[in-house]
Amino acid sequence: QQQVKQSPQSLIVQKGGISIINCAYENTAFDYFPWYQQFPGKGPALLIAIRPDVSEKKEGRFTISFNKSAKQFSLHIMDSQPGDSATYFCAASRTFGNEKLTFGTGTRLTIIP
Amino acid sequence: DTAVSQTPKYLVTQMGNDKSIKCEQNLGHDTMYWYKQDSKKFLKIMFSYNNKELIINETVPNRFSPKSPDKAHLNLHINSLELGDSAVYFCASSRGLAGVRQETQYFGPGTRLLVL
Repeated sequence: QQQVKQSPQSLIVQKGGISIINCAYENTAFDYFPWYQQFPGKGPALLIAIRPDVSEKKEGRFTISFNKSAKQFSLHIMDSQPGDSATYFCAASRTFGNEKLTFGTGTRLTIIP
Repeated sequence: DTAVSQTPKYLVTQMGNDKSIKCEQNLGHDTMYWYKQDSKKFLKIMFSYNNKELIINETVPNRFSPKSPDKAHLNLHINSLELGDSAVYFCASSRGLAGVRQETQYFGPGTRLLVL
């Protein structure tokens, strides 16, 4: 019930292309869905997050799409750049209280020139 | 200024030894966490403290003992280290309080532990 499934495990995208990473969750009580970005040798850092009162959230080149009925959410990176090469983690939790974040298994994104 | 700092950055030790990792945050946050990231990059929470009180304790061997002397510090002591403890350990903090909506977690740079 606590799982968050993430795909693909790795992704190679050409510079300027669109990178898409998908996540699915099981626990219908989850209502906070952040994406974290991790560069090699660094700790994860929050990239963008969404709550289920909206179906889409955009920040610059990064967009989260959220489908509550399907229990799925995805990260789209438009105009992907070599500097976007990193590991991306989706996560989910309940909004209120000290609920733990349940992380997906990560997607290693490589942007090639 | 580093928001969440950890020491040491690297830790190489022999099986059976006892070691500690220290974490400090200067963000004024009330909640701190320890995560373990294995060789496949899987990130899993181990413990969470809110204002020095343990609130999340995942299924972790009791060789791992967190200690929070104050709300800005959360240390992790590991007894009788095993080969399988080799991983990167991340400390994180957030503003989250009991009953308050989920807040961003800020991660430290990690401690790379290698048990030989």
